[in-house]
Amino acid sequence: GQQVMQIPQYQHVQEGEDFTTYCNSSTTLSNIQWYKQRPGGHPVFLIQLVKSGEVKKQKRLTFQFGEAKKNSSLHITATQTTDVGTYFCAGKRGSTLGRLYFGRGTQLTVWP
Amino acid sequence: NAGVTQTPKFQVLKTGQSMTLQCAQDMNHEYMSWYRQDPGMGLRLIHYSVGAGITDQGEVPNGYNVSRSTTEDFPLRLLSAAPSQTSVYFCASGTPNTGELFFGEGSRLTVL
Repeated sequence: GQQVMQIPQYQHVQEGEDFTTYCNSSTTLSNIQWYKQRPGGHPVFLIQLVKSGEVKKQKRLTFQFGEAKKNSSLHITATQTTDVGTYFCAGKRGSTLGRLYFGRGTQLTVWP
Repeated sequence: NAGVTQTPKFQVLKTGQSMTLQCAQDMNHEYMSWYRQDPGMGLRLIHYSVGAGITDQGEVPNGYNVSRSTTEDFPLRLLSAAPSQTSVYFCASGTPNTGELFFGEGSRLTVL
């Protein structure tokens, strides 16, 4: 079964609106990663969170890792058309790369 | 720097045929993996390798074989293709230092 749950599956926003996608695991994760996949492209690494309660920012993107290390979120402020794509979280248990479990992704559409 | 190179980009097979998807990376990464991506299912791990001579199964290994004779190459073999294996396949490599996965551009496989 799916190791990491991600919601929503789809999100349509107007340019300038905010966007959030959520990731949840039933077990504690050692870290969580976020990737972006543009339509027709391949996943591209955005960030990795390791510490409990960690918050990281990349320009308009804010990433959070929950205190229990079981959930995470990605928030985009004031979306732009360049933000279009599918955002995936990927969680890992253990200290080695090993098995990295991806959520099903949130497909973001931005209307101009 | 080529990164992760997958071939072929597109392939059509008949049920029962065999083929190999090639993956090569030039970043000296220890870790390599194969994922399949189906609509609404995210990325599901097929097999992975943490170094030459070492492979392990992921979430959906049935119908696929892998080997890792060199650090650079990680081919994925379909011994008897089935329509259920129609998918987009991504190869990825990475290093435990950063955890970041680098993906190839994908191979779209159709099994008739």
